[in-house]
Amino acid sequence: DAGVTQSPTHLIKTRGQHVTLRCSPISGHKSVSWYQQVLGQGPQFIFQYYEKEERGRGNFPDRFSARQFPNYSSELNVNALLLGDSALYLCASSLTPMAGVNTEAFFGQGTRLTVV
Amino acid sequence: KQEVTQIPAALSVPEGENLVLNCSFTDSAIYNLQWFRQDPGKGLTSLLLIQSSQREQTSGRLNASLDKSSGRSTLYIAASQPGDSATYLCAVKVGADGLTFGKGTHLIIQP
Repeated sequence: DAGVTQSPTHLIKTRGQHVTLRCSPISGHKSVSWYQQVLGQGPQFIFQYYEKEERGRGNFPDRFSARQFPNYSSELNVNALLLGDSALYLCASSLTPMAGVNTEAFFGQGTRLTVV
Repeated sequence: KQEVTQIPAALSVPEGENLVLNCSFTDSAIYNLQWFRQDPGKGLTSLLLIQSSQREQTSGRLNASLDKSSGRSTLYIAASQPGDSATYLCAVKVGADGLTFGKGTHLIIQP
């Protein structure tokens, strides 16, 4: 079985540009969440989607947005890129976002974004 | 606001030793706690998930405990091997939001 897949694996963008990152969850998983991890820190929660609806949002500016498609894949969009947006962006999938055993999160390999 | 702290930040031990990594969290109203392993520049690999109603979980040489009332979890690694070298992250889930992570413990096992 394929795990969580993210694309692209690496990306270099210029300040002010826009970027779209993609994530495909494990088959059967309906919840996708996004995290930003800067060097030396733990991942920070950005968004959670379940059944194509936003179910949670972390403390990130409105330049960050996301959506989930009918096949449960997801996109993370970042507008007006800043140097500080350089990070590893991680996607995680789970069966549901609710309490219980089905909330175990499985992560992809991430997209390394460098803003120059 | 939930905060997660991991101690120590870094640890270097000889191969074969048993070791304990610590995780503490400020809000005991968690759904579950999950331990992950991260190799340099890579994604996260789930090691163990402990539900809020459980006290411990075991997988091979790994054992994780949870004391929700005191806001603590430990990850015990038995008979450490050089392949165990990685950063270990602890994360808690509160409500339907995402996970809150600690900064991790960077572990080096010396051959």
